[in-house]
Amino acid sequence: GAVVSQHPSRVICKSGTSVKIECRSLDFQATTMFWYRQFPKKSLMLMATSNEGSKATYEQGVEKDKFLINHASLTLSTLTVTSAHPEDSSFYICSAASPTNYNYGYTFGSGTRLTVV
Amino acid sequence: GDSVTQMEGPVTLSEEAFLTINCTYTATGYPSLFWYVQYPGEGLQLLLKATKADDKGSNKGFEATYRKETTSFHLEKGSVQVSDSAVYFCALSEGNTNAGKSTFGDGTTLTVKP
Repeated sequence: GAVVSQHPSRVICKSGTSVKIECRSLDFQATTMFWYRQFPKKSLMLMATSNEGSKATYEQGVEKDKFLINHASLTLSTLTVTSAHPEDSSFYICSAASPTNYNYGYTFGSGTRLTVV
Repeated sequence: GDSVTQMEGPVTLSEEAFLTINCTYTATGYPSLFWYVQYPGEGLQLLLKATKADDKGSNKGFEATYRKETTSFHLEKGSVQVSDSAVYFCALSEGNTNAGKSTFGDGTTLTVKP
């Protein structure tokens, strides 16, 4: 079955530094990947849609200069949290689908727990 | 826009009890419907799905039927186990419309006690 690998699973960084999170589709090509943020005891909030070879589409209220998304290949999307602050601490999850797979559900990465100190 | 409303939690049951988690949706088209499960500290896993009206998705003893007339996709299991303790999310996707974005409910936390 489809597998999405997300790395790292946990990261602690100092305030003001940047952190990069990788999302890879291991056995299929993902033209579209999605990045979500999940607050404690809350649902997933879609941050942006990452499209291979083009700019990401950000949801309203998400700062594109703070959350940089790059989808350079059909198997890799990265989310970089720039100049991180404690309020950016959260659980970030990516998901992937290919154009033919939308009706088969999304494959999610295992998530990244970011803690900014 | 699309929305998903699911039963508020938390839900606490004894082992072998019957489980129902309600989910209703609003959508402009003909969405596919999903249930995802999230175990503590992990990402989401697809539990089951249904792509058209009257379809029944099933997996690991869980079932949900796509009811277009009531716009519902309630999750059921006849006999829950302690290992079923997790957060359950109902979701819809309109496929190629809207770039395939999914809309999620708020999640329902299930705790099963021995």
